[in-house]
Amino acid sequence: NAGVMQNPRHLVRRRGQEARLRCSPMKGHSHVYWYRQLPEEGLKFMVYLQKENIIDESGMPKERFSAEFPKEGPSILRIQQVVRGDSAAYFCASSHLSSTTYEQYFGPGTRLTVT
Amino acid sequence: DAKTTQPPSMDCAEGRAANLPCNHSTISGNEYVYWYRQIHSQGPQYIIHGLKNNETNEMASLIITEDRKSSTLILPHATLRDTAVYYCIVRVQETGNQFYFGTGTSLTVIP
Repeated sequence: NAGVMQNPRHLVRRRGQEARLRCSPMKGHSHVYWYRQLPEEGLKFMVYLQKENIIDESGMPKERFSAEFPKEGPSILRIQQVVRGDSAAYFCASSHLSSTTYEQYFGPGTRLTVT
Repeated sequence: DAKTTQPPSMDCAEGRAANLPCNHSTISGNEYVYWYRQIHSQGPQYIIHGLKNNETNEMASLIITEDRKSSTLILPHATLRDTAVYYCIVRVQETGNQFYFGTGTSLTVIP
């Protein structure tokens, strides 16, 4: 059973460009979470999605950031007009709808560098 | 979710037990204690969780004090591959609740 997959693993963008980060949850998982980790810091929650719905986006910056989890295909975290402060590792996690333990399984992350 | 306090760093000799403490004095009755670890900037890895009783799995043991204000993660025979940052998190066990990661404990296993 494949784990959570993220791509690309490394992404370099110039200031002002758009960054698209993709996350495929574990098979059978319908809940997806995005976290951001700045250098030397812990992970910070950004957004929680179920298929076709954003459930909690309280950790998302109000501008330039958006996320989706369509009925088919991976979840996408989109950052428009990137700035140097967006440079970070972005982790996706998934969990199972009927899990009784609610642990989240994390992907390997996408490291975004804005030049 | 309640706040947790962990020592910033610890060392452990290879082959010995690593005991990682966590204080969560404001934990409420419906909050679970979860432990994750992050090895060298990889994605965090789930280790174990518990509510009141001590728990054990193939990776570790979790000892929770009777008043639930603190807990200890035990890696019984630490190996070099256990070198990582370990995060103690308390959380209400509901789907959709995000995990609040603090700064964790950086464990170094020494040969």
